[in-house]
Amino acid sequence: GDSVTQMEGPVTLSEEAFLTINCTYTATGYPSLFWYVQYPGEGLQLLLKATKADDKGSNKGFEATYRKETTSFHLEKGSVQVSDSAVYFCALSSTGGGNKLTFGTGTQLKVEL
Amino acid sequence: EAQVTQNPRYLITVTGKKLTVTCSQNMNHEYMSWYRQDPGLGLRQIYYSMNVEVTDKGDVPEGYKVSRKEKRNFPLILESPSPNQTSLYFCASSNGQFFSSYNEQFFGPGTRLTVL
Repeated sequence: GDSVTQMEGPVTLSEEAFLTINCTYTATGYPSLFWYVQYPGEGLQLLLKATKADDKGSNKGFEATYRKETTSFHLEKGSVQVSDSAVYFCALSSTGGGNKLTFGTGTQLKVEL
Repeated sequence: EAQVTQNPRYLITVTGKKLTVTCSQNMNHEYMSWYRQDPGLGLRQIYYSMNVEVTDKGDVPEGYKVSRKEKRNFPLILESPSPNQTSLYFCASSNGQFFSSYNEQFFGPGTRLTVL
């Protein structure tokens, strides 16, 4: 079945540091890939998405590129801020799988001054 | 404002006492779903509904029931809650492009349930 593996946290960075959160997936067909963010005490918000190979999703300075050859969708940001502290979830939606999302376990990011 | 609402946001109950968590969306979405979030496990789908009167099991349906009598509402029912159902629950909705792999889901704020 479908699965998503993402790096374990927590990840602690200083403000303005470079961020990478690794995500790899296993799926049949051609899934769409997503990053969701969960701020403390809140629900999940879609951060960015990519629906086909080599697509780059971007939002709020975050980027991720859909790499079919390595089945990866790593999240990056060039300069993190304290306000980026949250839990980040990688997820996929399979072709023909309707609307079901398969999530990774989440990576907690803490950014310090 | 387009949104998914859940009630209650926090609930502490005792083993065996039936409870219902409500979910409502105002976006006219066909698809609705319930997830539970547990540390180290991410989010796992409990039940989903593709439209009114159409529901099906997700990955972890044991101990839960749902109903979809109206398009906007999708309540989650725990007939006899047990401590292993202590979790953070999220409702989500999206439109009904069932043959497309891109279906952005909108999530509610979550319900934190504790079963003693």
